[in-house]
Amino acid sequence: SQQGEEDPQALSIQEGENATMNCSYKTSINNLQWYRQNSGRGLVHLILIRSNEREKHSGRLRVTLDTSKKSSSLLITASRAADTASYFCATDQYGNNRLAFGKGNQVVVIP
Amino acid sequence: EAGVTQSPTHLIKTRGQQVTLRCSPISGHTSVYWYQQALGLGLQFLLWYDEGEERNRGNFPPRFSGRQFPNYSSELNVNALELEDSALYLCASSLTRRTEAFFGQGTRLTVV
Repeated sequence: SQQGEEDPQALSIQEGENATMNCSYKTSINNLQWYRQNSGRGLVHLILIRSNEREKHSGRLRVTLDTSKKSSSLLITASRAADTASYFCATDQYGNNRLAFGKGNQVVVIP
Repeated sequence: EAGVTQSPTHLIKTRGQQVTLRCSPISGHTSVYWYQQALGLGLQFLLWYDEGEERNRGNFPPRFSGRQFPNYSSELNVNALELEDSALYLCASSLTRRTEAFFGQGTRLTVV
C-alpha cells in the first residue's frame, strides 16, 4: 500500500506567502523525512523528524509530526521563486526495511 | 566531499535488451537504495542494500536485480527491458539505516 500521501497535490502561491503541505501514512514509523525535487532530477533532503519528536525547524521550513493521527505537515514560510519544486514525504517504516515515498506535491511560487 | 554519483546519466535501450546502472554512495555510507520514478509519478521502491546484503525489495519482477559490492557501491540490473521500464532510476545512500538519504542525479532510461 502507498505510504506517505501528500495533500494537496498541486499548490500555486505568490512569492512571500507561506506554503503548507500535508502527508499521511498508515503504519508505525521510525522517522519521517521531507525531500525536494527540481525538474525531475535527484531529490534533496530537507528535514528528518523522528517518531518521538513533534516539531522541527530548519531555516524557513517547519515540520510537524502527529503520530496519533499518522500525519505530518511541511510549512515553507516567506516562499521564494526558487522554492518551486516537487516536495515528497517519505516514511521509514517500523519493522520494514524501506523508505517509502508519497506521490509528491507540486509547488509553484509565482514571482 | 563527493555526493552520490550515478552512471550513466542517460541511456537508450531497445526492448528485450539488458541494462546495468551504477551507483557510488557517499564515502562512509553503507546503505544504498534504488528507486524507479516513471514520468509524472512518485518514487517506487526497488531495492535496499545495507552492509553488502539485500535487505528488502519492492514489488518488481525478478528481472530487476542488483548487488552491493564490498566498497558499498551498487549496481542495478534490468533484464528483458520493456517499454514501461522507461523511467528515471534514482540511487540514494545513507550513513546507516534510520538516517537521512542523499540522492544522486539519477539515470534516465528510455526503452524504445
